Amino acid sequence: GENVEQHPSTLSVQEGDSAVIKCTYSDSASNYFPWYKQELGKRPQLIIDIRSNVGEKKDQRIAVTLNKTAKHFSLHITETQPEDSAVYFCAASIRHAGKSTFGDGTTLTVKP
Amino acid sequence: EAQVTQNPRYLITVTGKKLTVTCSQNMNHEYMSWYRQDPGLGLRQIYYSMNVEVTDKGDVPEGYKVSRKEKRNFPLILESPSPNQTSLYFCASSLYLQGVTDTQYFGPGTRLTVL
Repeated sequence: GENVEQHPSTLSVQEGDSAVIKCTYSDSASNYFPWYKQELGKRPQLIIDIRSNVGEKKDQRIAVTLNKTAKHFSLHITETQPEDSAVYFCAASIRHAGKSTFGDGTTLTVKP
Repeated sequence: EAQVTQNPRYLITVTGKKLTVTCSQNMNHEYMSWYRQDPGLGLRQIYYSMNVEVTDKGDVPEGYKVSRKEKRNFPLILESPSPNQTSLYFCASSLYLQGVTDTQYFGPGTRLTVL
């Protein structure tokens, strides 16, 4: 089955700096790669996603890049703010198959 | 308001006492799924359903059952709970159009403790 590895497990940055979280996946059939943000005590919420026919997607301060050949994708957050502090999860799935595999999460702390 | 609801939100029970966690969505989504979240392990998929009467195993199905008799409901059943099923459980749903799933929307979570 699919295996998703996420790094780093914790990340601490100064406000205004950039943060990068990386994930690798094992199943070349995976074609959908969402990123979720989970604040303490809350449910995961989608912040950005990318499909396998696209190499990069950007939404304001957040961007995701995908390298299908190397089987890895990354989340980039620029100009970080304290409210970006949360746990971030990547996931990989095959859109027609229903299975989703998540990474173990990255705890991001943005220091004011 | 479009939402996924779960009940109960918190539950403390004892080993072996059957329980059901309900999940309901009002977005007319075909796809629904159950996950458990444990510290340091991210979210692990238990079961998922692509449509009514269609269910399939995720990565950690042992000790759980599901049913999908109606489109809006996807209950998670623990026939004989054990302490290793103590966890935070999330239900999620998404559209399933033209054979592909889309963004998953998560419920608020159910914190289960099995003594």
